[in-house]
Amino acid sequence: GNSVTQMEGPVTLSEEAFLTINCTYTATGYPSLFWYVQYPGEGLQLLLKATKADDKGSNKGFEATYRKETTSFHLEKGSVQVSDSAVYFCASIAGTASKLTFGTGTRLQVTL
Amino acid sequence: EAGVAQSPRYKIIEKRQSVAFWCNPISGHATLYWYQQILGQGPKLLIQFQNNGVVDDSQLPKDRFSAERLKGVDSTLKIQPAKLEDSAVYLCASSLAGQGLIETQYFGPGTRLLVL
Repeated sequence: GNSVTQMEGPVTLSEEAFLTINCTYTATGYPSLFWYVQYPGEGLQLLLKATKADDKGSNKGFEATYRKETTSFHLEKGSVQVSDSAVYFCASIAGTASKLTFGTGTRLQVTL
Repeated sequence: EAGVAQSPRYKIIEKRQSVAFWCNPISGHATLYWYQQILGQGPKLLIQFQNNGVVDDSQLPKDRFSAERLKGVDSTLKIQPAKLEDSAVYLCASSLAGQGLIETQYFGPGTRLLVL
């Protein structure tokens, strides 16, 4: 079956630090991959996505590259801000279904 | 453009009681999803509608959960009777296209349910 594994949190960083949140997937075929973000008290928002191998999704300074050889989609940001504090979810859609399979989420806390 | 609306935002009930959640998707979105998010876990799909038909309800506990989308627009999710393990955030999402296409799902703010 399809599954997504992401690093456990919480991740605590100082402002302007480099961020990496690891995500790996298992799927039949070649899934589409997503990062969603959930700010406190709000719903999930799509942060970025990639639909095929070697694609790079980017948004708001965040990037993730679809790596087929390592079945990974790690989220990175060069310089985090306090406003990036949130829970980040890696997710996949495989095959012809449109069902999202989520990881367990990684909480990021950025301090001054 | 208005987002996905959900109500209520919070609900506290006792076990064995019933509860209903409402969702109004983004206008024109054909596909509607209900997810359950238990604390510390990622959301899990409960049911997916394409217009007013059910596409996937394989993970819906049908002995106690039911959902409908009668006119292909808004939807209700009901739990009867509720159990302690139903305490979770219930998320509604919608997307423009139908099954087979990879479209962005837009999520509502969720309904936080606590069963005592």
